[in-house]
Amino acid sequence: GAGVSQSPRYKVAKRGQDVALRCDPISGHVSLFWYQQALGQGPEFLTYFQNEAQLDKSGLPSDRFFAERPEGSVSTLKIQRTQQEDSAVYLCASSLAGGNTGELFFGEGSRLTVL
Amino acid sequence: GESVGLHLPTLSVQEGDNSIINCAYSNSASDYFIWYKQESGKGPQFIIDIRSNMDKRQGQRVTVLLNKTVKHLSLQIAATQPGDSAVYFCAESGGYQKVTFGTGTKLQVIP
Repeated sequence: GAGVSQSPRYKVAKRGQDVALRCDPISGHVSLFWYQQALGQGPEFLTYFQNEAQLDKSGLPSDRFFAERPEGSVSTLKIQRTQQEDSAVYLCASSLAGGNTGELFFGEGSRLTVL
Repeated sequence: GESVGLHLPTLSVQEGDNSIINCAYSNSASDYFIWYKQESGKGPQFIIDIRSNMDKRQGQRVTVLLNKTVKHLSLQIAATQPGDSAVYFCAESGGYQKVTFGTGTKLQVIP
């Protein structure tokens, strides 16, 4: 497809389970971001990649959260030992270039519900 | 910490009227501002942006105004249509493009 693709769209996990969320950015996009959006709130920054390099992971809430982009394209956000407070929509965004140059293209998100 | 926020959580406008959505930011180092539109069940969609060396920028039916003196940003939508109904976020960015979002304003268009 032409846009950012995320999977799964919906995930229900029991507390303590591990989950993996996938992001396929727009082909050729250098920058990739992960955001967490709680219900009724704005997206909160989690982490940023430029190609395969993770340049900023300051927004990851705990060491249970891990993100990778090994070949500079597809990215996976992994959450270990999920907790109820992890319930949110996880948004992935990509942009053509690095640096402060403009438009981010967002996927539709993966909605995680932890029971 | 510094943040981007909005004055009004919900805005209702009559179809065909103009809409104005306001936003206050607190990070004086911000040099790039963006408005996003988010429809239910979708990711944010870029609407328009403005850099700190400008005070006004126009797009198709939308205008963004930036007042750096009072750290205020606004989005004007002309001739509001039902399809404009969504949550609107202002956001700021600096450096490598990390974007910080505000809490959002829900725009309801009354037919």
